[in-house]
Amino acid sequence: NAGVTQTPKFQVLKTGQSMTLQCAQDMNHEYMSWYRQDPGMGLRLIHYSVGAGITDQGEVPNGYNVSRSTTEDFPLRLLSAAPSQTSVYFCASSPGPGISYEQYFGPGTRLTVT
Amino acid sequence: RKEVEQDPGPFNVPEGATVAFNCTYSNSASQSFFWYRQDCRKEPKLLMSVYSSGNEDGRFTAQLNRASQYISLLIRDSKLSDSATYLCAVMDTGRRALTFGSGTRLQVQP
Repeated sequence: NAGVTQTPKFQVLKTGQSMTLQCAQDMNHEYMSWYRQDPGMGLRLIHYSVGAGITDQGEVPNGYNVSRSTTEDFPLRLLSAAPSQTSVYFCASSPGPGISYEQYFGPGTRLTVT
Repeated sequence: RKEVEQDPGPFNVPEGATVAFNCTYSNSASQSFFWYRQDCRKEPKLLMSVYSSGNEDGRFTAQLNRASQYISLLIRDSKLSDSATYLCAVMDTGRRALTFGSGTRLQVQP
């Protein structure tokens, strides 16, 4: 199993550009989440999904969209990048109820918006 | 008030020392609790789940106190390789994803 994979590893955007951060998992996990991590602030939840076709907002959803058309994939879209979105983005998955809520993380995408 | 709070540290301890971290959470509906380890802004990796009865894994012991709403992590006989940031995480019934503390940095010195 590859676990949770994220692409790209690094990205530089100009203000106003849009892009999609990719996340995929091959563990057949029900739950998937996106977090951002800024220095000294821990991980903050952006959006999460409890199954294909179901998404919900987390703590800091503004400026981001998600969709979950398959169990495996959970892309994060930045609609119009802003410097405040410069951060490290982590995708995570977990098996879900009846099994475990522990999260397995991808390696992260380091995004810089200039 | 943050949902999950940790002392950011850093905790600087000599090799062989015992060190304890606490983490408090504000949502009494929280139902699952975890400690994660994160190295140099790599992805967090699960260290251990935390149960009401307490649990131990080698040199690491985790405790949960529901009445006071805190979880703790004890590391005995610290090794240089334990140097990292330790994140606590909680999950509540309302939001089926984890809420993390900002992390406690541990530096073990020779």
